[in-house]
Amino acid sequence: ETGVTQSPTHLIKTRGQQVTLRCSSQSGHNTVSWYQQALGQGPQFIFQYYREEENGRGNFPPRFSGLQFPNYSSELNVNALELDDSALYLCASKVQGMNSPLHFGNGTRLTVT
Amino acid sequence: DAKTTQPPSMDCAEGRAANLPCNHSTISGNEYVYWYRQIHSQGPQYIIHGLKNNETNEMASLIITEDRKSSTLILPHATLRDTAVYYCIVINAGGTSYGKLTFGQGTILTVHP
Repeated sequence: ETGVTQSPTHLIKTRGQQVTLRCSSQSGHNTVSWYQQALGQGPQFIFQYYREEENGRGNFPPRFSGLQFPNYSSELNVNALELDDSALYLCASKVQGMNSPLHFGNGTRLTVT
Repeated sequence: DAKTTQPPSMDCAEGRAANLPCNHSTISGNEYVYWYRQIHSQGPQYIIHGLKNNETNEMASLIITEDRKSSTLILPHATLRDTAVYYCIVINAGGTSYGKLTFGQGTILTVHP
């Protein structure tokens, strides 16, 4: 089975710009979560999507938004980028409602200058 | 979800067993113990999980105390490639919020030649 894949692997943006990060979930997984990992810290939960609707959100402002598509691919959009948004952004997926592990991609490294 | 406590760092000689402890004294009856690890610049990798009984897979063994207030992850024959940050996470894995994992600081395991 294919794993969770994310694109791009690295990205450089300027403060104030907008960015879209993409994720392709593992086949059959209907739940996707996004995480932000600052340097030296553990991953922080941003939000999760189930059946194309957001059904959980962490302590992140509305300029962080997402989409989940019927083919279980998803996007993370960040508007009005700030320097502190520089981080590794991780996508993870699983089958909802089952005691099965969350599988992570290797992330997108975003640098905001 | 119950909070977990792990030592910040541990060392292990290559070929020896690595025993990583985790305290989760406030765990509730329907919460599972999950272990992930994160090798530098990669996404977190699922290792193993358990509820009450000890578990073993091709990567590791998980020993959960009878009162479930603590657990130990065992890597039976550590290799240099096992050097990583190890996270112990407690969660209601069957709940709708399972996509939300709360990562602590984890344990930095360094395997020496």
